[in-house]
Amino acid sequence: QSALTQPASVSGSPGQSITISCTGTSSDIGGYNYVSWYQHHPGKAPKLMICDVNNRPSGVPDRFSGSKSGNTASLTISGLQAEDEADYYCSSYRNTKIVVFGGGTRLTVL
Amino acid sequence: EVQLLESGGDLVQPGGSLRLSCAASGFIFSSYAMTWVRQAPGKGLEWVSAISGTGDSTYYADSVKGRFTISRDNSKNTLYLQMNSLRAEDSAEYYCAKGSGGYARGLELWGQGTLVTVSS
Repeated sequence: QSALTQPASVSGSPGQSITISCTGTSSDIGGYNYVSWYQHHPGKAPKLMICDVNNRPSGVPDRFSGSKSGNTASLTISGLQAEDEADYYCSSYRNTKIVVFGGGTRLTVL
Repeated sequence: EVQLLESGGDLVQPGGSLRLSCAASGFIFSSYAMTWVRQAPGKGLEWVSAISGTGDSTYYADSVKGRFTISRDNSKNTLYLQMNSLRAEDSAEYYCAKGSGGYARGLELWGQGTLVTVSS
């Protein structure tokens, strides 16, 4: 079961915007609107930032947004802040009735 | 308080067995699908298994199918993961998580994790 493809790392300066991509196939991202994004600070529990492609759970800042085009989903963080520095993971439902995660992207705030 | 608390992680020899537990509180446990996710040292998150709210439906990653069994006791608000025939590659922090809807949707609440180490 291959994971979804994410860039290993991205970086940006405070106040800037960054986008993290997550590429899958028509069997997962392209076929369903069940894409989620998680923020993970080492040593802490992961936190849901986006679900169902573009929905923000209560309490998540509106600086975080999600989108999807074809087999690729994206997470955009605008107005970067120091506390956004973390690992980010995408996930998607797949037609074999499982869920797959991306390999993760390390975000560095310069 | 809404929370999940995992337990049961330990050092176990290859081929051995272990049962993880996840105690839930602060929400109607039986109304939500539950999921196990793991993270091996230095690696990313890996979806392991999920179970419906009633426990009637279960789902597994290929990497654990036939070796791991997910179950739940709604009377005790507890989720379980029975792990048999353990391998070195099963060594990881294991998290339980509560789905926001069905198991395929976002995981809105996570525990702090329990560490499983498979080594001789």
